[in-house]
Amino acid sequence: QVQLVQSGSELKKPGASVKVSCKASGYSFRTYAMNWVRQAPGQGPEWVGWINTHTENPTNAQAFTGRFVISLDTSVSTSYLQISSLKAEDTAIYYCARESPAGYADFWGQGTLVTVSS
Amino acid sequence: QSVLTQAPSASGTPGQRVTISCSGASSNIGSNAVNWYQQLPGTAPKVVIHNNNQRPSGVPDRFSGSKSGTSASLAISGLQSEDETYYYCSAWDNSLHAYVFGPGTKVTVL
Repeated sequence: QVQLVQSGSELKKPGASVKVSCKASGYSFRTYAMNWVRQAPGQGPEWVGWINTHTENPTNAQAFTGRFVISLDTSVSTSYLQISSLKAEDTAIYYCARESPAGYADFWGQGTLVTVSS
Repeated sequence: QSVLTQAPSASGTPGQRVTISCSGASSNIGSNAVNWYQQLPGTAPKVVIHNNNQRPSGVPDRFSGSKSGTSASLAISGLQSEDETYYYCSAWDNSLHAYVFGPGTKVTVL
């Protein structure tokens, strides 16, 4: 069965970096794009961006350019979201989610809580 | 400030029909398919309607979707207690080149 398993919660200080992983199993990894979605406490989801797992080309939403980098390691069927120069407002749950060919996120990881606090 | 607009809350008694609306623009809902996600507390969002009105396998047929112009709706008929949670609409936005989400509607079963 399709599974997306994310790395564990992170507590970071402002200015630090974090790298969240998302390991896929149960399907052909390079066939489906991977989305990354942020959800701040008490807020709705925000789309961070996605990566074409065939070309390894990432695309970020305008609000998430610069400090947010989406990458892949196809040898271990894993996508990564790296956030640098962390700010308090980056505190959120970050989800990876597989992009269905029909144009929606059909399988989601369990989420990774990133807390930024001094 | 969300690109898509949703009422913050909706409610109904068990067995009733509840409708949630989502308003957007020509660059998103007006041009692209709408998806609806249900999010139970402490879990990841789960799609209940995709491509405006398509229900994935496993989603009860109590859930239905529709779209007209730059607005979309999610209807839950025969409301059940387990339907009490948050629902988010989402669509691709051609101007932002990004998926956009609504702020969410909390459905309460009275």
